[in-house]
Amino acid sequence: AQKITQTQPGMFVQEKEAVTLDCTYDTSDPSYGLFWYKQPSSGEMIFLIYQGSYDQQNATEGRYSLNFQKARKSANLVISASQLGDSAMYFCAMREGGTGNQFYFGTGTSLTVIP
Amino acid sequence: KAGVTQTPRYLIKTRGQQVTLSCSPISGHRSVSWYQQTPGQGLQFLFEYFSETQRNKGNFPGRFSGRQFSNSRSEMNVSTLELGDSALYLCASSLGVRSQGPNTEAFFGQGTRLTVV
Repeated sequence: AQKITQTQPGMFVQEKEAVTLDCTYDTSDPSYGLFWYKQPSSGEMIFLIYQGSYDQQNATEGRYSLNFQKARKSANLVISASQLGDSAMYFCAMREGGTGNQFYFGTGTSLTVIP
Repeated sequence: KAGVTQTPRYLIKTRGQQVTLSCSPISGHRSVSWYQQTPGQGLQFLFEYFSETQRNKGNFPGRFSGRQFSNSRSEMNVSTLELGDSALYLCASSLGVRSQGPNTEAFFGQGTRLTVV
């Protein structure tokens, strides 16, 4: 079974609007971390936001927030007030407590911000 | 603070050759992991090093190997290159090896784009 599932291959959003990128995960490890990364066409993976499995509150980092629903095993990324520079690939990733530093990545969502 | 540095950025090699890629992690980071990214397979884990020890290895053939030096810099080597090895190779560094808590995120370099012809 896939550890991380991203079901939206491509998304479009109007500039200044909010957008939600979906991510579901699968793990039996009670301790895990969930991450979102942005990959522009240059190739570098840019860390956006992190949520730990024991965290009680949803993580927020500036315009990024993570909608963490543990029972549904979902960790959706919400980008508010989209900007043209947000156009990129977005990857959801998970690190489990039992496997140390290995990240499991989803297939990514290509986000295009329309002026 | 300097980020993760990967060299070279681009490489073109011929089938059968070998290649060595280098990664210098963020200063103070002792964990380095490597990933292969291809359009068909996405991001796949290669291996992870912490304090010069390989802690974890992905499902790749023995042609793929790596090491980490005492200054945390890491190299990965691919021998007997195949066309299917063409990919973006990404290196990630992190402070520790925990799955959650502060400073648990990994920071990636810009990658080395390897083309095998």
